[in-house]
Amino acid sequence: KAGVTQTPRYLIKTRGQQVTLSCSPISGHRSVSWYQQTPGQGLQFLFEYFSETQRNKGNFPGRFSGRQFSNSRSEMNVSTLELGDSALYLCASSLASGGNPDTQYFGPGTRLTVL
Amino acid sequence: AQTVTQSQPEMSVQEAETVTLSCTYDTSESDYYLFWYKQPPSRQMILVIRQEAYKQQNATENRFSVNFQKAAKSFSLKISDSQLGDAAMYFCAYRNGHSGNTPLVFGKGTRLSVIA
Repeated sequence: KAGVTQTPRYLIKTRGQQVTLSCSPISGHRSVSWYQQTPGQGLQFLFEYFSETQRNKGNFPGRFSGRQFSNSRSEMNVSTLELGDSALYLCASSLASGGNPDTQYFGPGTRLTVL
Repeated sequence: AQTVTQSQPEMSVQEAETVTLSCTYDTSESDYYLFWYKQPPSRQMILVIRQEAYKQQNATENRFSVNFQKAAKSFSLKISDSQLGDAAMYFCAYRNGHSGNTPLVFGKGTRLSVIA
């Protein structure tokens, strides 16, 4: 079974631009979570989607948004990019089939550099 | 809010030796899950081991085992017979067990070097 895939792997943008990152979960997984990883702040939770609905959201400004499609693929969008948005963005998927938290499996990440 | 602390920013171990990475966490919940993830230079986060808080038995996965001390809120990872491929950042993570949509809370990580 294929793992979590993320595209693109690398991205360079300038301040003020917007960017869209894509994540395809493991087949059959219905939950997709996004995390931001930076050297200073470590790994921080952005949001989680399940059945096309945002179920949980971290403490990030409204410039960060996401969505999930009917095939469970997810996108996250960052508008009006700032230098501090430079980070590795990780996507994780899980089955979310029951009431207990499933193990999250991560993709390779998208490295975003904002100049 | 739950927090996860990894007090060792860097560790090193000789090949074939054993190393233990420390992790403590703070929570008022009784139902939760703990994880160790490995992140090699390729940046792909890989699950190493998972522990359910309600299970008293420590989880093991081949050369990897944990020492879960619930009362002390401690969750250390032991790597036996260390191999060069074990060199990576290791992250301890916590997840609340009350519902399926709680996010992972990560520690800052421990960078493990393996010396040949």
